[in-house]
Amino acid sequence: NAGVTQTPKFRVLKTGQSMTLLCAQDMNHEYMYWYRQDPGMGLRLIHYSVGEGTTAKGEVPDGYNVSRLKKQNFLLGLESAAPSQTSVYFCASISMRTGAPGGYTFGSGTRLTVV
Amino acid sequence: EDQVTQSPEALRLQEGESSSLNCSYTVSGLRGLFWYRQDPGKGPEFLFTLYSAGEEKEKERLKATLTKKESFLHITAPKPEDSATYLCAVHAFPGNQFYFGTGTSLTVIP
Repeated sequence: NAGVTQTPKFRVLKTGQSMTLLCAQDMNHEYMYWYRQDPGMGLRLIHYSVGEGTTAKGEVPDGYNVSRLKKQNFLLGLESAAPSQTSVYFCASISMRTGAPGGYTFGSGTRLTVV
Repeated sequence: EDQVTQSPEALRLQEGESSSLNCSYTVSGLRGLFWYRQDPGKGPEFLFTLYSAGEEKEKERLKATLTKKESFLHITAPKPEDSATYLCAVHAFPGNQFYFGTGTSLTVIP
């Protein structure tokens, strides 16, 4: 099925470890986003990309890096994980060419725990 | 500063008891207002887009309306399967970002 695929779905990290979360979309969307969702905080934007090779910071970018080497993939990296990065991470994509009538398409999320 | 506020935070309804969820927003220029449904352990799922004051959209037991300052999601005769968290998001000029509210957790009791 077409959509946004996130891997892995679950991960437990020790403080200081690094990891990369992968987001892949097969809808040819130009824009891709990484959000984190925490209880009572809602969805907060980490980084986003408006096209291949371009990235920009969102609301909470510290401690994360991203790369968009291919249009269909958007990677989120944690260089040195901290307990404060325990969260559920969502990737989303959208095509702005059509005026975005359907809003985002979200992935199913990655539940990350940092101990 | 662009802002989106949803109320109430949580709502418990008896099956068949109609109610409304509120999303108020303050943005410099509205491109679109979106409603999503999120089930536990899943990503948000698109429900509606509203573009201008006075616009209404319907889907089964849900109806979304929009004014210049807020949107309502009306739920008519809800069923237990309508239990979920409902998120509101605003797409504002001039940027490429969507601003989300913190959601309303709806529980419909049989």
